[in-house]
Amino acid sequence: QKEVEQDPGPLSVPEGAIVSLNCTYSNSAFQYFMWYRQYSRKGPELLMYTYSSGNKEDGRFTAQVDKSSKYISLFIRDSQPSDSATYLCAMSASSTGNQFYFGTGTSLTVIP
Amino acid sequence: DTEVTQTPKHLVMGMTNKKSLKCEQHMGHRAMYWYKQKAKKPPELMFVYSYEKLSINESVPSRFSPECPNSSLLNLHLHALQPEDSALYLCASSQPSTGSEQYFGPGTRLTVT
Repeated sequence: QKEVEQDPGPLSVPEGAIVSLNCTYSNSAFQYFMWYRQYSRKGPELLMYTYSSGNKEDGRFTAQVDKSSKYISLFIRDSQPSDSATYLCAMSASSTGNQFYFGTGTSLTVIP
Repeated sequence: DTEVTQTPKHLVMGMTNKKSLKCEQHMGHRAMYWYKQKAKKPPELMFVYSYEKLSINESVPSRFSPECPNSSLLNLHLHALQPEDSALYLCASSQPSTGSEQYFGPGTRLTVT
């Protein structure tokens, strides 16, 4: 079983839709949860960084962590064509990041 | 400023060449990382430098040789690479105490012929 599971998609939504991206994990020691956005042929960009369970909101983006279910989500409200990218979840048990596990990424296309 | 820069953007090299990839950050971070990313795959950690010392080498072949000349710079020296080493090479940086919060550069796209 992989440490982190993420549906690769592809996911295609109309502009303005609410997008839900999800990851599940097996290691209960994970405490730090990140979402990265990666445009084609570019480096990953850190979108959201959360510690432990709960919600975190930043503009149109909301990250949710449910440690009891080992499940994390990223919601994008009022999606825009510029949100079209691959979204990678990542998680770590340690703040030092030496054990840093990525999901395989979900490819999202927002259609104008 | 959360910028990590990498040069060159693209590199084509033969299997007998020696080349270097460069990474620079001016965020005051003291941890720097090299990752390798193949198409449609997540990044794979190669090396970690913490306070300019190599702290992690993820069993990377010796044809890849990292170097951290100072706290802002990170190099990856390449020699006798194989075609399967063609990939996007990403540099990232963070504070050592918050290594989960990494900032990535745009990457160098390497093609080995």
